[in-house]
Amino acid sequence: SYFLTQPHSVSVAPGKTAMITCGGNNIGSKSVHWYQQTPGQAPVLVIYHDSERPSGIPERFSGSNSGHTAILTISRVEAGDEADYYCHLWDTTTDHYVFGPGTKVTVL
Amino acid sequence: QVQLVQSEAEVKEPGSSVRVSCKTSGDTFSSYSITWVRQGPGQGLEWMGGIVPIFDTTNYAQRFQDRVTITADSSTGTVSLEVRRLTSEDTAVYYCARAPRYGGGWFDPWGQGTLVTVSS
Repeated sequence: SYFLTQPHSVSVAPGKTAMITCGGNNIGSKSVHWYQQTPGQAPVLVIYHDSERPSGIPERFSGSNSGHTAILTISRVEAGDEADYYCHLWDTTTDHYVFGPGTKVTVL
Repeated sequence: QVQLVQSEAEVKEPGSSVRVSCKTSGDTFSSYSITWVRQGPGQGLEWMGGIVPIFDTTNYAQRFQDRVTITADSSTGTVSLEVRRLTSEDTAVYYCARAPRYGGGWFDPWGQGTLVTVSS
């Protein structure tokens, strides 16, 4: 099975930049997606295919993926960005989907 | 706008089964797959399996292979998830989501979630 790692939590001050990492063996060769989930709500797609942003998602959200780490970057963080963030990919070895354990972003 | 509308919350006894439904709209049923993800209390997201309705082909996560069945009803555009032999560990919110037909890709949109509580 393919495993993904994420930091349990990230804290950031308003207006600053939050970087959430997603680690996996040679993850740079895979297509990574990111979801935002606020309490009591369904997850929402914020980045797909490493760095593409769905319509309606602010430009403050960006993504990158290389080597063994994918990164979700949130610029000019706002209070409304406080949420859990999950990375996600398709494991071609097993033909199964995999989620990272999630990162809780706290806005100070 | 594509929407996935799920069935209401359920309370089940240990050892019983539960069926959760997901009503699709637009061309979802004919052009995409529907996947199921669950989230236990305070836990992360866990992929369970999915179905390509137009081909009626399924793909299950290893740990759910023998206890979960996903089906599709083309007459109503509805996909259903059945989980058997429930235990307290199955207490979770169950989400359906639209995914690419041929595997890979991202999940978007998601249903609103269905809470299943397993308790005696």
